[in-house]
Amino acid sequence: QKEVEQDPGPLSVPEGAIVSLNCTYSNSAFQYFMWYRQYSRKGPELLMYTYSSGNKEDGRFTAQVDKSSKYISLFIRDSQPSDSATYLCAMGRAGGGNKLTFGTGTQLKVEL
Amino acid sequence: EPEVTQTPSHQVTQMGQEVILRCVPISNHLYFYWYRQILGQKVEFLVSFYNNEISEKSEIFDDQFSVERPDGSNFTLKIRSTKLEDSAMYFCASTQGGPSGYTFGSGTRLTVV
Repeated sequence: QKEVEQDPGPLSVPEGAIVSLNCTYSNSAFQYFMWYRQYSRKGPELLMYTYSSGNKEDGRFTAQVDKSSKYISLFIRDSQPSDSATYLCAMGRAGGGNKLTFGTGTQLKVEL
Repeated sequence: EPEVTQTPSHQVTQMGQEVILRCVPISNHLYFYWYRQILGQKVEFLVSFYNNEISEKSEIFDDQFSVERPDGSNFTLKIRSTKLEDSAMYFCASTQGGPSGYTFGSGTRLTVV
């Protein structure tokens, strides 16, 4: 079983839709959870991070963590064509030197 | 906004040659990392560096790889004898500690021919 699993997509939605992106993980030692956005041939850009179970909101983005189910989500409200990118979940362990374990990424396309 | 700077953006090298990839982390960050991403695959951890020494390395980071912080600003990854399978995007990252501000550079695309 992979440490972090993420549906690679591609996911295509109309402009204005609510997008739901998800990852599952197997290692209960992960204590913080991050979402990155990556445009083609560019570096990952940090969108959000969270430590605890529950929701964290930042503008149109909401990160959700359910540690009991080992499941994390990123919701994008009112999606825009500029949101078209690959979204990567990443996780780290406290005291683990901050090494991140990434999912494979979900490719999102928001169409006009 | 502070950023991690990587040079060069693209490097082509002959198999067996040595390459050095350069990074300037964010100035007040304490932890430095190298990751790689083979085309179409996930981002993979290579090595973390803290307090002038390697704090953790992956199985990928074998004897042909080395890292150095030669001065107060640069952080380098050296690949001693490149192989075709080293072709990938190499990303440098830095953080003060923990996930806050965990910033990646734009990457160096390494092509080994």
